Order: sequence, then structure tokens, then C-alpha cells
Amino acid sequence: DIQLTQSPSFLSASVGDRVTITCRASQGISSYLAWYQQKPGKAPKLLIYAASTLQSGVPSRFSGSGSGTEFTLTISSLQPEDFATYYCQQLNSYLQTFGQGTKVEIK
Amino acid sequence: EVQLVESGGGLVQPGGSLRLSCAASGFTFSSYWMSWVRQAPGKGLEWVANIKQDGSEKYYVDSVKGRFTISRDNAKNSLYLQMNSLRAEDTAVYYCARDREQQLVPQELDYWGQGTLVTVSS
Repeated sequence: DIQLTQSPSFLSASVGDRVTITCRASQGISSYLAWYQQKPGKAPKLLIYAASTLQSGVPSRFSGSGSGTEFTLTISSLQPEDFATYYCQQLNSYLQTFGQGTKVEIK
Repeated sequence: EVQLVESGGGLVQPGGSLRLSCAASGFTFSSYWMSWVRQAPGKGLEWVANIKQDGSEKYYVDSVKGRFTISRDNAKNSLYLQMNSLRAEDTAVYYCARDREQQLVPQELDYWGQGTLVTVSS
């Protein structure tokens, strides 16, 4: 199975900060990677698919990049509503997997 | 408006069974792969299973193979997860989710239900 490792697991940042989260795959997955945001008690929300394509309705401060085994999610200027947990997901294999998550908290 | 509504969760003893349902509306259910994703209390997301549009392909995470069965009834716009031989580690909120596009291979998940809690405990 393909394993995804996110770093960091926890991130403390301030409003306006530029934030970058990394997701590393245990083997190459081309661009078959998505990013989700989850707030407490809520279902996840799709942010980015195909590694770098912004889902409709998602603010442009979110961006994704990478291919192969290393991917990044960047929030260019952190807003109060962005404090949440972020997950990457690989779809290269029919056995999909999620990363362990990165919690972004207010500094 | 796309809606996914899960039901069937609850408290069950170890070794017991439970059947989750997901009622879909607002889209052509028979045109999409569908998935179950779970989240143990305070933990991350775990993909559990998915099923092709016509039910001809099904995939499972290793930890539930042989115990869980995903199925669908396109006439009833419903997705199911039959869970047998339940263990304490199956305790989680179970989400039903839809693929982003109508494709022949699984896609990322763009619509999710609100989740239903399954608790396995004696």
C-alpha cells in the first residue's frame, strides 16, 4: 500500500502568515493527489485535486504543487477561517490512503 | 442540491454486525463511484471502501477485508456498508462520499455526508 506522510503534524501560525504543508508518498503517484480541509465536527472539504487544481469555490490563497513523491499545500495569507486540519489523499492506487493530517492552530 | 445522509450507526458489541445506509439526492447517483471513509475519535481520516457505478468493482482497506461489504442500490439512490465481526478499533464516524466526476476510475471526493457514529463496545 502507498503511505502518505505529512509534515508538520502540528503548525502554529498567525493571521496573514504564509503556511506550507508537505505530503510525501512512499512511492511515485504522479499527480494523483488531493488536499482536504476539515473543521471540528464537520465533514472534510475538497480543496485541491490533481495536485494543483483548485476546486470550484475555494479561495485562491490556497495552492498546491508537486508530482511524483513530494507535494505541498500552500496558504498564501492565513485567514481566521483557515484554522483547521488538512489532509492529503492519494488516488494513484485503487486502495486510496490519506495522510495523518496537519493541524493548523492560532499562534 | 447534492445531499448525502447516512444512517444506521449506533452502539454494538464486539463481534456484532451493523448495516450503514447513505441516501443520496440531487445528482444522478448511478453515474458516480461512491466511497465510505471513517474517522476514529480524535484521529485522522481512513478510506474504508469504494464501489463503481454499476457495483462491478469494489475495493477495501486491508483492515476490513472479509468483514465489511460495500453495496449500492441505484434504483433507491442508496449506498450501504454491511459491517460484520466488529472490533473496538472499528469505532468511528463513518462518512459516505461521492466522487468529484463521473469517471470510470475513482476520483477525489467532493460531496460528503454528515457522518454516522459507530461505537463498538461491551
